[in-house]
Formats: sequence, C-alpha cells, structure tokens
Amino acid sequence: TQLLEQSPQFLSIQEGENLTVYCNSSSVFSSLQWYRQEPGEGPVLLVTVVTGGEVKKLKRLTFQFGDARKDSSLHITAAQPGDTGLYLCAGARASGAGSYQLTFGKGTKLSVIP
Amino acid sequence: DADVTQTPRNRITKTGKRIMLECSQTKGHDRMYWYRQDPGLGLRLIYYSFDVKDINKGEISDGYSVSRQAQAKFSLSLESAIPNQTALYFCATSGGLFTEAFFGQGTRLTVV
Repeated sequence: TQLLEQSPQFLSIQEGENLTVYCNSSSVFSSLQWYRQEPGEGPVLLVTVVTGGEVKKLKRLTFQFGDARKDSSLHITAAQPGDTGLYLCAGARASGAGSYQLTFGKGTKLSVIP
Repeated sequence: DADVTQTPRNRITKTGKRIMLECSQTKGHDRMYWYRQDPGLGLRLIYYSFDVKDINKGEISDGYSVSRQAQAKFSLSLESAIPNQTALYFCATSGGLFTEAFFGQGTRLTVV
C-alpha cells in the first residue's frame, strides 16, 4: 500500500495553461515537501509546508498543505516548458529518537508543450 | 562542485558480480540515505544512517549492504548483482529541521 498517492501520474498540457497536482494520504505528516526532478538529475527541493492549511507561493507555483496535514496540492499558473519534470511529494513522520523519516510518492510526470 | 557526489554515474555489470556505489557530501550533514528509483515505483529507501555508528535498513534492503566510512561518506554495495537490481540509485543527505533531502545526481546501474 502506497503511503502517499500522487495524481495524476502523467500530465501533458500546452504552454500557458494552469494545472494542479495532488498528493494524498490517510496518514498525518509533520511536514510535507515537494521536489522537482529533471531527467538525469536528482530531485531538488522546491518547498516545505509544515502547518495545516499553510499556503506557500514560489513565483507561479502555489503549494497548499491540507488542514489535517494529510494531503497537499501544487498549482502551477501559466505553465512554461521549463516546468517540465517529475514532481514528487514527500511526507515526514517521526521515527523515534527525535528523528524524522521521509516517504516519497511515485510522482507526477509533467510535460509542458510549447 | 556538487554538494552530494555519486560515483560512478553509470555502470554496467554482470550478474553475480560485486559492485560498490560511492557517495560523498560536503554539506556537513549527519544523515545519509540510499534510494533506488524505478519507473512507476517512485523512490524507495534502501538504507539510511543518522551518524557514523548508525545503520538502518529501509523498505528494500535485501541484496544490499552499506558502509558509513565517515560523516561525509556512505557507500552502497551489491554483493552479488542480479538483473532486477537494474535501476537508478540516489544518495541523499539531510540535516534540516524538517528533514529536507539533498540528492546526488544518481548512478544508473544496469545488471546484465
């Protein structure tokens, strides 16, 4: 059973369109992170959300953490070809001894067509 | 220079061979991780280490072993490689309050 479900798995849109991708779980997380991965590279952190209901903006990207801290969404306004990549969400949960463990979703592969 | 460096970047090896993937970091983080990434399966944790004397199994540790030689170095070994270990392998470090992970560029391993 996947702890974090991301949807959609694939998304292909035209440049200039808006989109939303989702990250859902039945578990509560201490924080949730979004990463973007480009081909041939490792994932790179975009944002961390910590508080239930929190909204963070990063230029054309808007991230929201659900009130119950079980889910999150990423909204991209006026998508650009440079937004193309694999978007991964990762939830942090306490794993004892004051440490946290990250669990990754399978990702949403986004293609923005010029 | 990259904060997290993996070597080699690409490797083709034969079934049954022993292979080691190396990772070094300059971020000064205590926590280091090894993940594998397969199409449709996402990132799965193999092993992790919270300091030099601490080694923990992840969700898919069978067939793998690790060594934390120093705070900055964490290597992954496949004692006897098999074809279903063909994958993209990532090393990562973390040290932030909310366990933000910093990844290397990955090692593409093919077992034939």
